[in-house]
Amino acid sequence: DADVTQTPRNRITKTGKRIMLECSQTKGHDRMYWYRQDPGLGLRLIYYSFDVKDINKGEISDGYSVSRQAQAKFSLSLESAIPNQTALYFCATSDRTGNQPQHFGDGTRLSIL
Amino acid sequence: QKEVEQNSGPLSVPEGAIASLNCTYSDRVSQSFFWYRQYSGKSPELIMSIYSNGDKEDGRFTAQLNKASQYVSLLIRDSQPSDSATYLCAVNIVSRQGAQKLVFGQGTRLTINP
Repeated sequence: DADVTQTPRNRITKTGKRIMLECSQTKGHDRMYWYRQDPGLGLRLIYYSFDVKDINKGEISDGYSVSRQAQAKFSLSLESAIPNQTALYFCATSDRTGNQPQHFGDGTRLSIL
Repeated sequence: QKEVEQNSGPLSVPEGAIASLNCTYSDRVSQSFFWYRQYSGKSPELIMSIYSNGDKEDGRFTAQLNKASQYVSLLIRDSQPSDSATYLCAVNIVSRQGAQKLVFGQGTRLTINP
């Protein structure tokens, strides 16, 4: 089983709909992250959380919200989806100690029509 | 200046040759450096970590770090078609507020030609 699990893996929806992407991990890591990736733009950080009570905006948080329900769960919501939010979304985790790498889930491919 | 810079490529290398991927970073106090491999449509996969100046070898992969020049590279020996992917450099950057964040480069697309 994957250490970092994202659901759903693929989603097609319509403009204006509310969407939730979920991430759960069994790595025991405190830190969790949400990224989006668009062709030619690399990974862009949306939100990150260093523990259940610590949530921070990344570089492109507008139009998104997050919830850290537990140490192992971090969900990303699009309150009212728009077509330019069509992208590949990744959840990642890392250990609380400094200088550690991030470990990624398999991603969610989201299409907004 | 971007915090982490990579040549986007594409970099084309014949099978069996050495592929050399380069990355520069802006923060002189960075302490940890990572290389990820990402196949098209898949998630980034950690392949190398390096923390000290010099070379670190793992199989066909060698990471090289030069903190004085703020430069980290990845060498892939005996390149195989299966090495064709985008390679992301990631560097721990310390913000003005003292918080650490992992910053990714845009990635270099590598193609190994049979």
